[in-house]
Amino acid sequence: GAVVSQHPSWVICKSGTSVKIECRSLDFQATTMFWYRQFPKQSLMLMATSNEGSKATYEQGVEKDKFLINHASLTLSTLTVTSAHPEDSSFYICSARDFSGTSGRAARYEQYFGPGTRLTVT
Amino acid sequence: AQTVTQSQPEMSVQEAETVTLSCTYDTSESDYYLFWYKQPPSRQMILVIRQEAYKQQNATENRFSVNFQKAAKSFSLKISDSQLGDAAMYFCAYRSAGYGGSQGNLIFGKGTKLSVKP
Repeated sequence: GAVVSQHPSWVICKSGTSVKIECRSLDFQATTMFWYRQFPKQSLMLMATSNEGSKATYEQGVEKDKFLINHASLTLSTLTVTSAHPEDSSFYICSARDFSGTSGRAARYEQYFGPGTRLTVT
Repeated sequence: AQTVTQSQPEMSVQEAETVTLSCTYDTSESDYYLFWYKQPPSRQMILVIRQEAYKQQNATENRFSVNFQKAAKSFSLKISDSQLGDAAMYFCAYRSAGYGGSQGNLIFGKGTKLSVKP
């Protein structure tokens, strides 16, 4: 089956520093990747959608200069939280979709999720 | 804009019993997909079941089945023979049938926390 990995799984950083989260599709080509944020006991909130080789599309209210997204290849997308502050502490989840169908016909309907990254800003 | 509503913040079921989680949605589209995702304490999102709107037959996956009522815009999940491992947050999600760019983003409900009592 299609697997999405995220690294790191847990990161603690000091206020004012930047942190990068990597999202990789391990066995399929992810033409589109999604980044979500989840607060405790809440649902997933879509932050942005990125297509390989083009700029990410951010949801309303998400600061694109603070949450930098790069989708440089068909298997890797990164989210960089710049000048992090305690209010950025959250659980970040990436998700990938295979529009090309390289992981099978059914994959065109599926969105595969990474295990998430817990960010704590002190 | 499409919306997904889960009206049950929390549900509880006895082990081996059956429980039904409710989900309603609003859309003007005719072609779309509906999903139920499970998020256990590990927080890994796991696809439970998928329903394609153009298919009238309700989807089933082992102990999990759905009751898809397109006219009523209702999509409930039934879990039979509940097991302790079923305890988790369950999210109902909607997706347009389009594929390109930001089309077809998953729209999630607020979730239902399911507890399973031994």
